[in-house]
Amino acid sequence: DADVTQTPRNRITKTGKRIMLECSQTKGHDRMYWYRQDPGLGLRLIYYSFDVKDINKGEISDGYSVSRQAQAKFSLSLESAIPNQTALYFCATSQGPGNEQFFGPGTRLTVL
Amino acid sequence: GQNIDQPTEMTATEGAIVQINCTYQTSGFNGLFWYQQHAGEAPTFLSYNVLDGLEEKGRFSSFLSRSKGYSYLLLKELQMKDSASYLCAVRVDDYKLSFGAGTTVTVRA
Repeated sequence: DADVTQTPRNRITKTGKRIMLECSQTKGHDRMYWYRQDPGLGLRLIYYSFDVKDINKGEISDGYSVSRQAQAKFSLSLESAIPNQTALYFCATSQGPGNEQFFGPGTRLTVL
Repeated sequence: GQNIDQPTEMTATEGAIVQINCTYQTSGFNGLFWYQQHAGEAPTFLSYNVLDGLEEKGRFSSFLSRSKGYSYLLLKELQMKDSASYLCAVRVDDYKLSFGAGTTVTVRA
């Protein structure tokens, strides 16, 4: 059931490179989120979007930017990647306030 | 800030019961979620509590006490496939989930 997809699934890049991670969903949900997961720290919110024209910073947005190209697509960019951005990145979606979030399969990013 | 605490690791035997505790101190509270995450995979929704009490769903049950800032996830009749991380998450307003670091459960034969 690939309702939330992420590309690429794995990426190795070098310090200073620009990287884009993409997320697509077929659930028809209005809300989309980007998280990063680090060992021992849990999931932390980077950005979230309630609709195409509504984008908001999460708790750790520095060094990241996003674009909501359509209701179904939400991209995360690292303008100039640095090694401490090495992490597992998840996209998630939800419908309206209060409902559970559905997560994509994740992108493992390594910055050398 | 948000503070959500859960044990780092737990080990149990196949067929047994394990209880994963979660305590929280957050700026707001609009419900508590439990997610299961197998290694290298996406978190998947297990349960949601917004009122005090016990919610049962098959082998999994979740309990909430809002006055104590406390929840637990109870896994019964443990199976090998239950080996995973279990994430406690508090919804602090209508969109934001704050996650604990997760509890890794290892089920042994």
